[in-house]
Amino acid sequence: AQKITQTQPGMFVQEKEAVTLDCTYDTSDPSYGLFWYKQPSSGEMIFLIYQGSYDQQNATEGRYSLNFQKARKSANLVISASQLGDSAMYFCAMRAPMNTGNQFYFGTGTSLTVIP
Amino acid sequence: DTAVSQTPKYLVTQMGNDKSIKCEQNLGHDTMYWYKQDSKKFLKIMFSYNNKELIINETVPNRFSPKSPDKAHLNLHINSLELGDSAVYFCASSPRRVAGGGTGELFFGEGSRLTVL
Repeated sequence: AQKITQTQPGMFVQEKEAVTLDCTYDTSDPSYGLFWYKQPSSGEMIFLIYQGSYDQQNATEGRYSLNFQKARKSANLVISASQLGDSAMYFCAMRAPMNTGNQFYFGTGTSLTVIP
Repeated sequence: DTAVSQTPKYLVTQMGNDKSIKCEQNLGHDTMYWYKQDSKKFLKIMFSYNNKELIINETVPNRFSPKSPDKAHLNLHINSLELGDSAVYFCASSPRRVAGGGTGELFFGEGSRLTVL
């Protein structure tokens, strides 16, 4: 079963505008973690932001914030004041605990293009 | 000091050959993973090891064999390479338990781009 769903294969945003990248997840476990990663054209995977399932407040890291709606099982990434360097693939991921370790599920990604 | 390092970064080889990709992490993590990223950028888990023990083995051809000599290393050996094996292979690691204030995120290596001709 699909654990992480990203429904936007591609998004465009004007430089200096804000953009929201959607992510929904599916789990019955009460304890989980939600992550966003950025993959620029150079290929490396860059960790951006984390939200724990028990965290009461939405996570923020600089221009990144995670809009966590637990009842809706959504974890959207908001990038404020977009910059040209934000053009990249963005992956939403969920960590689900297992008895013997952790399993990470990834969405199919959203390609963001920032337009000057 | 690179946290998760994998070598080589690029591999170009002929169909039918055997190749290996090595991965090492210096973060003291218990769990290591191999992911395959295809041309559509989809990240697919292949294997996961926790303290040298295999815990996740997704539907992967048995031409792929992971080996973990110790918890800091997880190597990937591929036999009889096929065209469809061309992809970027990422090694990653994570702590088994999230320490207070930690995120327990997945740390990725730089990726190894395999091209099979």
